[in-house]
Amino acid sequence: AQSVTQPDIHITVSEGASLELRCNYSYGATPYLFWYVQSPGQGLQLLLKYFSGDTLVQGIKGFEAEFKRSQSSFNLRKPSVHWSDAAEYFCAVGARSSASKIIFGSGTRLSIRP
Amino acid sequence: DGGITQSPKYLFRKEGQNVTLSCEQNLNHDAMYWYRQDPGQGLRLIYYSQIVNDFQKGDIAEGYSVSREKKESFPLTVTSAQKNPTAFYLCASSRGTANTEAFFGQGTRLTVV
Repeated sequence: AQSVTQPDIHITVSEGASLELRCNYSYGATPYLFWYVQSPGQGLQLLLKYFSGDTLVQGIKGFEAEFKRSQSSFNLRKPSVHWSDAAEYFCAVGARSSASKIIFGSGTRLSIRP
Repeated sequence: DGGITQSPKYLFRKEGQNVTLSCEQNLNHDAMYWYRQDPGQGLRLIYYSQIVNDFQKGDIAEGYSVSREKKESFPLTVTSAQKNPTAFYLCASSRGTANTEAFFGQGTRLTVV
């Protein structure tokens, strides 16, 4: 069964600084990988996804993520954060053998320091 | 506009009562899901359905029940057997193939008093 770990519960960065949120997955084959963002009391919005091909994936709002098979990682990055990026971020993994099961990490809460 | 509608946004119930959360989608998606969200625990899968009249238990199905009589609708009933029902519940849908993402509703916050 697939699983995903987000080791950082809460991260605070200064506005304008760079950001990297970590995500590690466990799955026996190449998984499908996603990053979602959630504002308080809201649903989740897809930031980006990796299915195959280029391991550096570009998403919305200036985010990108890199799939590294050797490290079983799919870290999310942004070169310069804005105050509006404060939210909770979830990494998720889907199994190629299961059409419908998507497993989420426990999330990382991002705070922005003015 | 296409999307997923969850209702109500806030729900209060007395302990021991069953309650049903609504989820409707007009995206023509085959697959639908219910997740529970608690602080610090991410999203945990309760039930999912890949086609009409079929559904599977997720990781925390005990105390919950679902039905999928129509493609557009996937209601979740929180029964009195669920020991800690107070949580934020999220419904999602997808095309149902492995290489597609899930789209989420805005959630229902259930408080049992």
